[in-house]
Amino acid sequence: DAKTTQPPSMDCAEGRAANLPCNHSTISGNEYVYWYRQIHSQGPQYIIHGLKNNETNEMASLIITEDRKSSTLILPHATLRDTAVYYCIVGTGNQFYFGTGTSLTVIP
Amino acid sequence: DVKVTQSSRYLVKRTGEKVFLECVQDMDHENMFWYRQDPGLGLRLIYFSYDVKMKEKGDIPEGYSVSREKKERFSLILESASTNQTSMYLCASRPDRGFRNSPLHFGNGTRLTVT
Repeated sequence: DAKTTQPPSMDCAEGRAANLPCNHSTISGNEYVYWYRQIHSQGPQYIIHGLKNNETNEMASLIITEDRKSSTLILPHATLRDTAVYYCIVGTGNQFYFGTGTSLTVIP
Repeated sequence: DVKVTQSSRYLVKRTGEKVFLECVQDMDHENMFWYRQDPGLGLRLIYFSYDVKMKEKGDIPEGYSVSREKKERFSLILESASTNQTSMYLCASRPDRGFRNSPLHFGNGTRLTVT
């Protein structure tokens, strides 16, 4: 069974917040939640990660529910360059579980 | 910034050839990984290495081997390439240090076609 579940695709209007959900109901206590994005023909780019507290950096915010069974990646002001496939991953140490991602299209 | 460099972006090889994919990282990371990425299957781990000359099989090691003679370099070897090894190959690295379970850093991938 997949460790993470994401909607296959989403649209977002340029300038608006993009909220990308991820379910990880079987996450273990020591597993982190990571988010990456991949633009066509490039390698995945790291965005943010967290264990149980909400996190924010210059790219995005990560909201993890209190029971840690789901999380949301927030891109506060989406631009056309944010069009990509976004992957929610759980992992600890050298063990990472990748899902099949959400294809986000930012619409002008 | 961490830089993970894969030697080729595109590669075309014939069935039966021995193929070498090279990856170099410049941040002194202990751990290095090889994944392959296929549509609908996501990223699957082939092998990883946690130290020089040390390696661990991932989920799909069959048909592949690896070499890590120096800390910064991790090579993936296809002993006898087959058409079902046509894929995007991604190298990644991460350090052991850091208390917040450091993330993977990926290269830009090598798209291998076996004809």
